[in-house]
Amino acid sequence: DTGVSQNPRHKITKRGQNVTFRCDPISEHNRLYWYRQTLGQGPEFLTYFQNEAQLEKSRLLSDRFSAERPKGSFSTLEIQRTEQGDSAMYLCASSHRTGNDGYTFGSGTRLTVV
Amino acid sequence: GEDVEQSLFLSVREGDSSVINCTYTDSSSTYLYWYKQEPGAGLQLLTYIFSNMDMKQDQRLTVLLNKKDKHLSLRIADTQTGDSAIYFCAEIPTSGTYKYIFGTGTRLKVLA
Repeated sequence: DTGVSQNPRHKITKRGQNVTFRCDPISEHNRLYWYRQTLGQGPEFLTYFQNEAQLEKSRLLSDRFSAERPKGSFSTLEIQRTEQGDSAMYLCASSHRTGNDGYTFGSGTRLTVV
Repeated sequence: GEDVEQSLFLSVREGDSSVINCTYTDSSSTYLYWYKQEPGAGLQLLTYIFSNMDMKQDQRLTVLLNKKDKHLSLRIADTQTGDSAIYFCAEIPTSGTYKYIFGTGTRLKVLA
């Protein structure tokens, strides 16, 4: 297993366009998390899944954001009608069910909305 | 509120010890974590401590926990230039979820 994989690494899009990011977690991890990190800040929680069930969503996740994990393996995060304020690093992480021994993070997808 | 606080910058000379401090919010947090982030990369778990411990040592890293003051620190012995990065502390508040609350990060610069 090569760890948590995120694609693409970088995405530049025009305001108003839709974008989709993919995350492939560590195969034996059943929890998957999405975080957003803006410059100079710590990561902020967006949502997490246990297997295919989305168990919690942050109020940061507006109606333009949707996340799926259809088969309990990879996950996608879609942002519709992107705004300049969506520019950030989007981080995915996975963990065992309890998560107490920490997450494994991917390298992130950097989104720039122009 | 849920604010985990860290000082923004720390500069040390190579070979010295670094101490990075963090004040967390939830006195009931059961696990507290330290992550390292290098430029353009994701976060790497360094170590974590269970709340019934006062100290944990792992090679060059020493974590100290003061539950009374809700204060967590990370000491890096014999700091190397490769330790230059941003260090985040994080807690899992006991609110029935497994989401982390991260601090704003401390940028450590190691001078040769």
